[in-house]
Formats: sequence, C-alpha cells, structure tokens
Amino acid sequence: AQTVTQSQPEMSVQEAETVTLSCTYDTSESDYYLFWYKQPPSRQMILVIRQEAYKQQNATENRFSVNFQKAAKSFSLKISDSQLGDAAMYFCAYQPGAGSYQLTFGKGTKLSVIP
Amino acid sequence: DVKVTQSSRYLVKRTGEKVFLECVQDMDHENMFWYRQDPGLGLRLIYFSYDVKMKEKGDIPEGYSVSREKKERFSLILESASTNQTSMYLCASRLKWGDRRGYTFGSGTRLTVV
Repeated sequence: AQTVTQSQPEMSVQEAETVTLSCTYDTSESDYYLFWYKQPPSRQMILVIRQEAYKQQNATENRFSVNFQKAAKSFSLKISDSQLGDAAMYFCAYQPGAGSYQLTFGKGTKLSVIP
Repeated sequence: DVKVTQSSRYLVKRTGEKVFLECVQDMDHENMFWYRQDPGLGLRLIYFSYDVKMKEKGDIPEGYSVSREKKERFSLILESASTNQTSMYLCASRLKWGDRRGYTFGSGTRLTVV
C-alpha cells in the first residue's frame, strides 16, 4: 500500500519569508500524481498544486512551487513571500496512475504565518 | 467551478441514533468520496462511489454505510452513532475514474456524538 509521510506536524514562517514543507511517499508505481492541498480555518480543502510523475519539470503556481525528486520519492512544497492568508493545514496527497480511484493523504502540516 | 455542498456544517447527535450526512455536487461528477479527518491521523477514506448505485469500501468502513441513488448525491450513514465517530467528515468528488486533476471538496461536517 502506498504511504505518504509529512514529517513536520507544525511549522511557522515570518510574513514575506519563504518556507518549505516536506513530503515523502512510498510507491512501486512509475505512473502517479502528487498533490498539495490547503485547508484554511474555513475547512474548505483547496488544491494548491499538482505534479505528474512523468514530468521532470517542477510544477509552479504563482508563489507556490514544488521540488519533486522522483528517485528519492520526495515532493516538497515551497511557499515564497508568505502571506497571512497562507496560514492553514497543508496536506500532501498521492494518486496512482491510470485505473486508480483514490488519493492517499499525509497527516498534514499546520503552517502559521507570523506578522 | 464545481461545487460540493455538505448539508450541515455542525451536527450533534446522541449515541445510538441513526445519522445521515448528505453531500451534493453540481457538475455531473461520476466519482464521490467520504473521508473522515482526525487530528494527527489526516484524512482516511470511508467509502467511495464511482457511479450511481455503485459503492466501494475504503480504509475504515466499519460502522458506516453509504447510498448513491442519484449521481449528484452521496449520503454517508451512521447506523448507530457512537462516540468514537465524533469527527470531521469531508465529502469530495471527481469527474471520472482516473481523472488526474484531483478532487473537489466540500466544507466538511463536524459531527459530535454525545
């Protein structure tokens, strides 16, 4: 079974600084997809960024970028120029390739942003 | 944008009651999911449905059942609520099997069983 590990239960960052959230996963698949979701206090889970395993280029969405290391099975999220609205729980998730049906989530990292 | 609506934001029920959690999506998605979220445990899949009247057990189905009579609605049923089912319940949907764009989530129902 696939597992997703987020080793940092909590992190904090100063406003306008950069923070990196870690995620590792375990799989024997070669085709899969990785996601970062954000859950603010409003509880609505929002997709932040996604990465296809077959793409070597790291995904980027505005201030959010990933460092995808396929051999190391690592998928970290970098938030640049942190804003107060970035404070949330962040979940890393894994989905196998074709024919899969579910996401497997990590346990989450709570990010606090210090003004 | 797809909207996933969970009928209750907060719910308090008594032990032994039958509880229905409702989830509705408005964009003709085939797949729907129920997760529970607990501190330190992340999200765990209870049940999912890949189409109308179809259902599959997830990782923690014990004590739960589901119903999907219409494509847009996926109900989670606690046949006899117990205190260990106090949790946050999240519903999600996805366009179809194998879609790689991730899920759309509802805002969650925080259930307290007393």
